[in-house]
This record gives sequence, structure tokens and C-alpha cells, in this order.
Amino acid sequence: DQQVKQNSPSLSVQEGRISILNCDYTNSMFDYFLWYKKYPAEGPTFLISISSIKDKNEDGRFTVFLNKSAKHLSLHIVPSQPGDSAVYFCAASEGPWTAGTASKLTFGTGTRLQVTL
Amino acid sequence: DARVTQTPRHKVTEMGQEVTMRCQPILGHNTVFWYRQTMMQGLELLAYFRNRAPLDDSGMPKDRFSAEMPDATLATLKIQPSEPRDSAVYFCASGSDRVRGVGYTFGSGTRLTVV
Repeated sequence: DQQVKQNSPSLSVQEGRISILNCDYTNSMFDYFLWYKKYPAEGPTFLISISSIKDKNEDGRFTVFLNKSAKHLSLHIVPSQPGDSAVYFCAASEGPWTAGTASKLTFGTGTRLQVTL
Repeated sequence: DARVTQTPRHKVTEMGQEVTMRCQPILGHNTVFWYRQTMMQGLELLAYFRNRAPLDDSGMPKDRFSAEMPDATLATLKIQPSEPRDSAVYFCASGSDRVRGVGYTFGSGTRLTVV
């Protein structure tokens, strides 16, 4: 049972435009969400995260939006650059989290973003 | 930059053989995860450890997979006997349970092909 779903396997966007990657989840206990970026032959790298007490978190060109009632989050990249071409994974963890515990991450299947010139 | 080191990077083996994958977590990280990447399931959690103690290995086929942390600098994932359906990329990740905000650091993976 896929608790974190990325329904778009791929997305193509022109350089300079906005990229919007979507993610849905089913587990109501998830309270922390992350996006990872993965280049070929490399491991995923952390990009941005958001806690369930927020509905938006911004870091430079990257913004993550969370809609808890819809169990939906999205990653916006503005403006998109060719170097953003990669596979993006959405991940979620269950709360409550406190120092001294370990939060496992549940990942989606990924969306391959291609930014064209 | 601190990194998670995985060996080997690539492994081709025959069905039925034992495979051992190794991971050196980042010094000071006390949480270690093993994930497997497949096209259909994305990144699946196989097992994870905190302070070298296994917390959850429910994602692993118990009859053939085993995960251990002999010491704080080494995590291993073994498959015995290996099967063609085990072909995938296996990632190790490490993190600190004191810092949740930045996620975990992944290694570059071991690409396993079982023929």
C-alpha cells in the first residue's frame, strides 16, 4: 500500500518557467514532509522540508506547500533551470518526533523533471 | 563534506550467491537506514538502526536478507541466497536523531544485478 504517492512519473518544463511537482499521502499520522532530489548514479539529496504546523516553507527558488485537509503537498521551483533536471522524491515521517527517537521516511515513487532550454 | 560511503558501487552476481553490501555512515550520526530503489515502489525502507540497535526490519524478506551494525562505523546488508528479483539499487542513509529538519544523508548506492 503506497502511503506516499507521486502520480506524475515525469514532467517537462521550459527553462525560466515554474515547475510544480505534486505529492499525495494517505497516512494521517504523517506530520513532517521532505523533498529529495536525485541525479543519476548518485544518492538522493535533501532539498527542503515542512512541518505540519506550517502550510508553506520557502528556500530560494524552492517552495513547498502543504494542504493538510487534502493530504497534498507540492514543490514549486521558480525559475526552473537546466540543472534542476533530476528525479524528485517526496517523503514523509510520522510524529510525534523528539530528540532521542528515529524517524523513518516513507518515500513516493518519484517524478522525473526535465528542464528544457 | 561529510559523506556516507557505500561499497561496492556495482555488483553482478549469479542467482543463489551471497551478496554483502557495506555502508560507512557519517561520523557522529547515530541513525542508519537501508533503502532499496525500484521502478514500481520508489524508495522502499528495508531496515534501520538507532545507536546500532535494529528498530525496524519489517521491510526486508527475512528468509534471505539480514542487516547488522557490527560497530558504529559499519553497517552491512546481506542477501543469501540472491535472486534476480533482488536486482535494484540499494542505498544507505545516515542521520542524527537530534536534528530532524535537514533529513538524512544518502550514500551513492550499490547497484546490484542478479543474473
